[in-house]
Amino acid sequence: DIQMTQSPSSLSASVGDRVSITCQASQDISNYLNWYQQKPGKAPKLLIYRASILQTGVPSRFSGSGSGTHFTFTISSLQPEDIATYYCQHYDNLVQYIFGQGTKLEIK
Amino acid sequence: QLHLQESGPGLVKPSETLSLTCAVSGDSISSLSFYWAWIRQPPGKGLEWIGSIYYSGSSFYNPSLKSRLSMSVDTSKNQFSLRLTSVTAADTAVYYCTRHLSSVLAGNYFDYWGQGTLVSVSS
Repeated sequence: DIQMTQSPSSLSASVGDRVSITCQASQDISNYLNWYQQKPGKAPKLLIYRASILQTGVPSRFSGSGSGTHFTFTISSLQPEDIATYYCQHYDNLVQYIFGQGTKLEIK
Repeated sequence: QLHLQESGPGLVKPSETLSLTCAVSGDSISSLSFYWAWIRQPPGKGLEWIGSIYYSGSSFYNPSLKSRLSMSVDTSKNQFSLRLTSVTAADTAVYYCTRHLSSVLAGNYFDYWGQGTLVSVSS
């Protein structure tokens, strides 16, 4: 089975900071990697699919990059409303849909 | 605008069956491009995919739950359902229903989510 390792598990940053989260796959997953945002008490929201494609309506300060085994999610300028937990998610041809452990983002 | 709404008991006894329904509005559940999925989240923990189903009834499940799980779809009511048997406290979670895109070009992702419903397993 493919393992997804997301880091860090928590992150504190200031408004306006550039913030990055990484997701590492245990084997090559091409660009089959999605990113979600979950605000407290709310359902997750799809932000990025296929590693780097921004979902419609998502602000351009969010971006994703990477392929193979190493992926990065970036917020170019942190806003107060970005406080949330972020998850990466992979799927493979064994029809497995696996989420990373999550990164809790807080304002410093 | 697509809307998904979960419904079902909030409390289930151990060893009994958990049953949930997701009502879909704003689009037909028979849409060719989409599956419909369940995802759960134990309190304070991460997300776990449970399973996905197509309008035709074709489904695929998380192997760790497969022996206890069944999903169904009712196109006449535009809804789909989940049944999980022999539940234990480990099945206590917020259960979300979602739309699941499965496309060669776009990939696989969950783009619309219900608000979630908390199901507690306790005697």
